[in-house]
Amino acid sequence: SAVISQKPSRDICQRGTSLTIQCQVDSQVTMMFWYRQQPGQSLTLIATANQGSEATYESGFVIDKFPISRPNLTFSTLTVSNMSPEDSSIYLCSVDRTLASTDNEQFFGPGTRLTVL
Amino acid sequence: AQSVTQPDIHITVSEGASLELRCNYSYGATPYLFWYVQSPGQGLQLLLKYFSGDTLVQGIKGFEAEFKRSQSSFNLRKPSVHWSDAAEYFCAVALYSSASKIIFGSGTRLSIRP
Repeated sequence: SAVISQKPSRDICQRGTSLTIQCQVDSQVTMMFWYRQQPGQSLTLIATANQGSEATYESGFVIDKFPISRPNLTFSTLTVSNMSPEDSSIYLCSVDRTLASTDNEQFFGPGTRLTVL
Repeated sequence: AQSVTQPDIHITVSEGASLELRCNYSYGATPYLFWYVQSPGQGLQLLLKYFSGDTLVQGIKGFEAEFKRSQSSFNLRKPSVHWSDAAEYFCAVALYSSASKIIFGSGTRLSIRP
């Protein structure tokens, strides 16, 4: 399995500012993903964080709004830029397939609860 | 396009009663299927998964799910629910091709009646 931590766990931000969320895994993983869970909603995939190259974004999400970095196999960041109240959500990092495992399973971080005023 | 449908938004059952949460998927090939649970203020926990083999899958906390290809369904069941089972349940499908990613259903909120 993989143990995932996210920082911050929660934050309250002002409209127009940006927040960077960090995701750290305790082992090297092949795939890392970022999801958004709006209040009372299900999880929606934002993007796949690719190590050493640009992230792959899902329909409706763009790099200018959600820039992502993945400098190595255990760490990724998601920035929520120029925030508005509509960005208030829980943002979750997930990982798939630790390099030491052949099991197909995704593990989810605890999430970052963002409130934009 | 791939999709997951959970037709029940909210279900209430009595403690000790049996439970079945419905899930239907749309995917061209054999999917990888999951059930996750999210308790209030908690993270997402994997209950069980199906990749291949026996279509009846056992999970944690006494849950099981059955994959029925003919019905494109993957319903979650538990013979006797406990008050601690009250939570949000998500069915999901993973697409393990060039880039694995999970598509989630809209979720079913389970309430337990004392």
